[in-house]
Amino acid sequence: GQQVMQIPQYQHVQEGEDFTTYCNSSTTLSNIQWYKQRPGGHPVFLIQLVKSGEVKKQKRLTFQFGEAKKNSSLHITATQTTDVGTYFCAEVGSNFGNEKLTFGTGTRLTIIP
Amino acid sequence: DVKVTQSSRYLVKRTGEKVFLECVQDMDHENMFWYRQDPGLGLRLIYFSYDVKMKEKGDIPEGYSVSREKKERFSLILESASTNQTSMYLCASSLGGGHGNTIYFGEGSWLTVV
Repeated sequence: GQQVMQIPQYQHVQEGEDFTTYCNSSTTLSNIQWYKQRPGGHPVFLIQLVKSGEVKKQKRLTFQFGEAKKNSSLHITATQTTDVGTYFCAEVGSNFGNEKLTFGTGTRLTIIP
Repeated sequence: DVKVTQSSRYLVKRTGEKVFLECVQDMDHENMFWYRQDPGLGLRLIYFSYDVKMKEKGDIPEGYSVSREKKERFSLILESASTNQTSMYLCASSLGGGHGNTIYFGEGSWLTVV
């Protein structure tokens, strides 16, 4: 299946520092979604990016889709303890008009208070 | 709110046992999915279904089968459990039919095969 590489695998930051996770694909992505999974929880949808070069913000979170639609990033400004969790990107593929998601390996964020 | 319910949160099974993981969604979603999650490997798609009695293999279907007899229910079956199937299993659903593709996950089922 489609390979979506996500880096870094782990990130430890001091509370208040910024955090970024990156997704890269060798092929052009149609759409990309981002999910957050809290420790012990299940992945929860954050956002979907569709257009080349698209930038979307949710409070302290900024999501970008590359111009070539081969990469995406999630940036968190001034991390808080509530940001702890694993962040996944997911490529949205189409199968006869129905969506199928292929997930990246995730970036696990821990916050040092 | 969409509710995806997995019947068992924690299971311990013996090698060779047949294991059923049940999943029910209450939003009349067309699409349902089974993923497994392992450290360092992210979420990997096992099987998915776009309609009743329809199933498609995902990226890692070996050792698994599925059943979708009713729209709201999607079952994952391990015909003969093995220790390498110890994992967390996540069921998910989405509206489908070109109307939206946000995926909603259940709480997960932790399976240990001994």
